Amino acid sequence: GAVVSQHPSRVICKSGTSVKIECRSLDFQATTMFWYRQFPKQSLMLMATSNEGSKATYEQGVEKDKFLINHASLTLSTLTVTSAHPEDSSFYICSATTGTGTYEQYFGPGTRLTVT
Amino acid sequence: SQQGEEDPQALSIQEGENATMNCSYKTSINNLQWYRQNSGRGLVHLILIRSNEREKHSGRLRVTLDTSKKSSSLLITASRAADTASYFCATEETSGSRLTFGEGTQLTVNP
Repeated sequence: GAVVSQHPSRVICKSGTSVKIECRSLDFQATTMFWYRQFPKQSLMLMATSNEGSKATYEQGVEKDKFLINHASLTLSTLTVTSAHPEDSSFYICSATTGTGTYEQYFGPGTRLTVT
Repeated sequence: SQQGEEDPQALSIQEGENATMNCSYKTSINNLQWYRQNSGRGLVHLILIRSNEREKHSGRLRVTLDTSKKSSSLLITASRAADTASYFCATEETSGSRLTFGEGTQLTVNP
């Protein structure tokens, strides 16, 4: 099956710093990638939809200047949390789809961000 | 409000028993999917059922879909301790569009 990786799997950063999370489709080209956020014992909340070569579409309530998304190639999307604060601590998960009529999204293993 | 409500929120059973989880949604859908998530890990796709399907099987999994009631159920038969995880339903309104996740059911299978 299609594989999506995320790096890093865990990151701890200090308040005020920025952290970048990478999402890669390893064996397929992903025209669309999605970024989700998940708080402990809660469901996934979609943050943004990213199409290769175009600007990401953010969900209502998600600050685009705080969560910078870049989808520069068909196999890589990055999420940068800028000026991180403790309330940004969460589990961030990406998913990818080929967008060619397949219904399935392939999920990465997630990145645990802790802001101290 | 969140599309996709699941019940129960938590379910604890003994190995060998069957586990049934339910999902309700609000809008018209193209398909409904079930995912599994082990604690602190990513999601694993279990099964997809299209809006014109009523039932689907995959191994020990059985999914039903009732579009008139806007609900779906996931049945895991002969459960195993390794089935312990959170299970989420997710709906897709149109092909290739965003997924909207339910709140999830935490399943614990006791050995």
